[in-house]
Amino acid sequence: SQQGEEDPQALSIQEGENATMNCSYKTSINNLQWYRQNSGRGLVHLILIRSNEREKHSGRLRVTLDTSKKSSSLLITASRAADTASYFCATVLELGGANSKLTFGKGITLSVRP
Amino acid sequence: KAGVTQTPRYLIKTRGQQVTLSCSPISGHRSVSWYQQTPGQGLQFLFEYFSETQRNKGNFPGRFSGRQFSNSRSEMNVSTLELGDSALYLCASSPDGMYYNEQFFGPGTRLTVL
Repeated sequence: SQQGEEDPQALSIQEGENATMNCSYKTSINNLQWYRQNSGRGLVHLILIRSNEREKHSGRLRVTLDTSKKSSSLLITASRAADTASYFCATVLELGGANSKLTFGKGITLSVRP
Repeated sequence: KAGVTQTPRYLIKTRGQQVTLSCSPISGHRSVSWYQQTPGQGLQFLFEYFSETQRNKGNFPGRFSGRQFSNSRSEMNVSTLELGDSALYLCASSPDGMYYNEQFFGPGTRLTVL
């Protein structure tokens, strides 16, 4: 099964509203990453948050990580139509040394209506 | 810096054939990872190469193989193609690997197996 499970699967909001997306995972992780993908194209990295961090910001993006609940959230504030995309969380599990396992969730489809 | 490039962008093959996909990472990046994306299975990790050595491997059959050259460019090969191999194949590069930092994705190669 997928390590990262995003919630909701789809989200439709009005431009200017905030969008909150959640990701839950099952095992301990080294870091968690959020990516955006526009219409079947390559992924764009948004934020990487390490297991010893609780919150990170990047522009209109805010990511939180709660390792006790094994969950993360991505908040996009003041959304724009250009934010319409699929969003994925990816968990990185350390296997030893530099060996790691990266697992993506199924993704959340965000639609921002103008 | 130029981004990650993948060639070809589109490919049509028939069952039983083999295919080689190419990925040129961002200059200076030593890690190249490959992913398969399908509507049903989502994004799945294939393998990671670092300094010409396979460092991590996902759960794919031996028909999927790869290699990395001394200039960090990477190729992925799929032998004896099956209909289920139709997918978007993404490669990503990073300076040291997913364990340490974010990955930069290429636009992908869309493979269709008939």
